[in-house]
Amino acid sequence: DGGITQSPKYLFRKEGQNVTLSCEQNLNHDAMYWYRQDPGQGLRLIYYSQIVNDFQKGDIAEGYSVSREKKESFPLTVTSAQKNPTAFYLCASSLTRDRVGDTEAFFGQGTRLTVV
Amino acid sequence: SQKIEQNSEALNIQEGKTATLTCNYTNYSPAYLQWYRQDPGRGPVFLLLIRENEKEKRKERLKVTFDTTLKQSLFHITASQPADSATYLCALQTGTDKLIFGTGTRLQVFP
Repeated sequence: DGGITQSPKYLFRKEGQNVTLSCEQNLNHDAMYWYRQDPGQGLRLIYYSQIVNDFQKGDIAEGYSVSREKKESFPLTVTSAQKNPTAFYLCASSLTRDRVGDTEAFFGQGTRLTVV
Repeated sequence: SQKIEQNSEALNIQEGKTATLTCNYTNYSPAYLQWYRQDPGRGPVFLLLIRENEKEKRKERLKVTFDTTLKQSLFHITASQPADSATYLCALQTGTDKLIFGTGTRLQVFP
């Protein structure tokens, strides 16, 4: 089955620790995105990547880092510098790196991160 | 500043009625606008895409309009059902490569 997979579904982190969220897609999509969603809120863009070995900051990149070493993988690291990391994290991909608004985005099922 | 606004208050309607959700944007000139459905604890699912040269797009019970003069899109669900209860998000492209989402509107359809 083609799709986009996030893991783990639930993640607990102690304060001061870095943690990495996994996102893998087998749709052969160029573009990949990471969003953060807080309760009752919309999606806020953290990072996005249009091509392997290249990525751009979104609106709330501080305290996060990413890599895009392979087309199918776009892991997100939540660092200890992120002041309020407890949230629902969503990874998405879309086919084209040009005219991204003209193609639908496919989302993973999300990772719920809790700092304890 | 650039903003995408959706009604943050939940929309409650009776089964069988038409639900209308609004998406307003400022300081953008998007060529495309998308609508997604999100159920609690799940990722959003794509519903419809409308282009700037299209005034209206339909898919089964769903209809989307796009008014680039008013900077507004309306999303309609006709003959609504309790299964339509969810949060609905609009999204648009900014610049050349970012997909940005609104805050979403929660729809509750009661029998």
